[in-house]
Amino acid sequence: AQSVTQLDSQVPVFEEAPVELRCNYSSSVSVYLFWYVQYPNQGLQLLLKYLSGSTLVKGINGFEAEFNKSQTSFHLRKPSVHISDTAEYFCAVSPGVGAGRRALTFGSGTRLQVQP
Amino acid sequence: EADIYQTPRYLVIGTGKKITLECSQTMGHDKMYWYQQDPGMELHLIHYSYGVNSTEKGDLSSESTVSRIRTEHFPLTLESARPSHTSQYLCASSERQGTAYGYTFGSGTRLTVV
Repeated sequence: AQSVTQLDSQVPVFEEAPVELRCNYSSSVSVYLFWYVQYPNQGLQLLLKYLSGSTLVKGINGFEAEFNKSQTSFHLRKPSVHISDTAEYFCAVSPGVGAGRRALTFGSGTRLQVQP
Repeated sequence: EADIYQTPRYLVIGTGKKITLECSQTMGHDKMYWYQQDPGMELHLIHYSYGVNSTEKGDLSSESTVSRIRTEHFPLTLESARPSHTSQYLCASSERQGTAYGYTFGSGTRLTVV
C-alpha cells in the first residue's frame, strides 16, 4: 500500500515570492507521483506528474516538482507566485507499471495563501 | 470545458431520504472513481470501477452503493441519508492505462444532510 504525507497544512506567502510545498510518500513498489490543484468549489486539476525519467518535472502555471527517490519526496516549487495561485494543493501517489491496484492515494492537502 | 459532469453541485436533504449523485463522462474512459472529501482533509476513495458491470469498494468504508451499467455513467446512491454523510463527493475518470495518464475530475457535489 502507498501513503502520502504533506508536511504543511497551510503555507502563507507574499506575492512574487518563491514557494515550496512539501510531499513525502511511502511505498514498497515503484510509484507514479502527481500534484493536483483545487480552486474553491471546483474539482481537482492535474498540475504535473512523474512517471519515469528526468527527476525534474515541469507542469502548468509555472510549477515544477523534483522526484527524490532516496528521500521519498516529491516537493512542488514555483519561483514567483501570484494571487491567483491561492488554492489547495494535493500530492498523490499510485503504484507504477504492473504494481498493483491503480488508484490514486492523496495527501491531506496544503492550502497555499498568497498575500499581496 | 469539463468532460466529466456531476449533478447536482449542491444538495441539502433531510435525514432518511434516498439520494443519487450523478456522474457522467464523455471521454470513453473505462475507469471511474468516487472520492469523499471532508473540509480540510484528504480525499478518500470510496468506490471504483474498471468498466461496465465492474465495481469495487475503496479504502474508506461507505454506506453508499454504485453501479456501472454504461461506460459513461457512474452514479452513487445513498439509500438513507444521515448527517454523517455530509461531505463533498468527487467523481473522476481515467483511461484504460490507468493512473499514468492522471485523473479527470468533476466539479463535485457538496451534500448536506440535515
